[in-house]
Amino acid sequence: SQQGEEDPQALSIQEGENATMNCSYKTSINNLQWYRQNSGRGLVHLILIRSNEREKHSGRLRVTLDTSKKSSSLLITASRAADTASYFCATDNYGQNFVFGPGTRLSVLP
Amino acid sequence: KAGVTQTPRYLIKTRGQQVTLSCSPISGHRSVSWYQQTPGQGLQFLFEYFSETQRNKGNFPGRFSGRQFSNSRSEMNVSTLELGDSALYLCASSFQQGPNEKLFFGSGTQLSVL
Repeated sequence: SQQGEEDPQALSIQEGENATMNCSYKTSINNLQWYRQNSGRGLVHLILIRSNEREKHSGRLRVTLDTSKKSSSLLITASRAADTASYFCATDNYGQNFVFGPGTRLSVLP
Repeated sequence: KAGVTQTPRYLIKTRGQQVTLSCSPISGHRSVSWYQQTPGQGLQFLFEYFSETQRNKGNFPGRFSGRQFSNSRSEMNVSTLELGDSALYLCASSFQQGPNEKLFFGSGTQLSVL
């Protein structure tokens, strides 16, 4: 399977700073999605970027996709304590099930 | 619109027992997927159901099974529980099946096998 890999595994920043997380994957995709998970809870969909898109914005989120490098990045601007969570990228497995990376644990310190 | 509901929230079982977890998708959603989440393995895909038919299956032993009812509610069953089955089991629903769908997750069932 083509599991996505996020890096870094963990990230600590101060409130107000920007947080950048990266995701790499192995094969061609239809789209790439980012999800957030608060501790011990379900995942929440953040944003979907299609394979023919290079950049997408949603509020304080900016996602980029480079299909030539098989990588994506998620930027959260002006981070808040409430952004503390784990962030996962998900890719479709040849149009079948979604495959999630191991996630980046983000801690935003007040 | 109510979100995805998973029951029970917590479950404690002993080795060798079996367990059934339930998932009620968002009204109108016909696809339900199940994932196992552990600290070591991350999120692992178990299976997906669409219109009462299993469409995809992950690499899990036959002890893991599931089904979907005509109202799109889904159950998964794990028989002969092992210590390694301790995990957060997440259910996700989507309107249709396919790579462009957003998944809506429930809060999960935390299963502990003693």
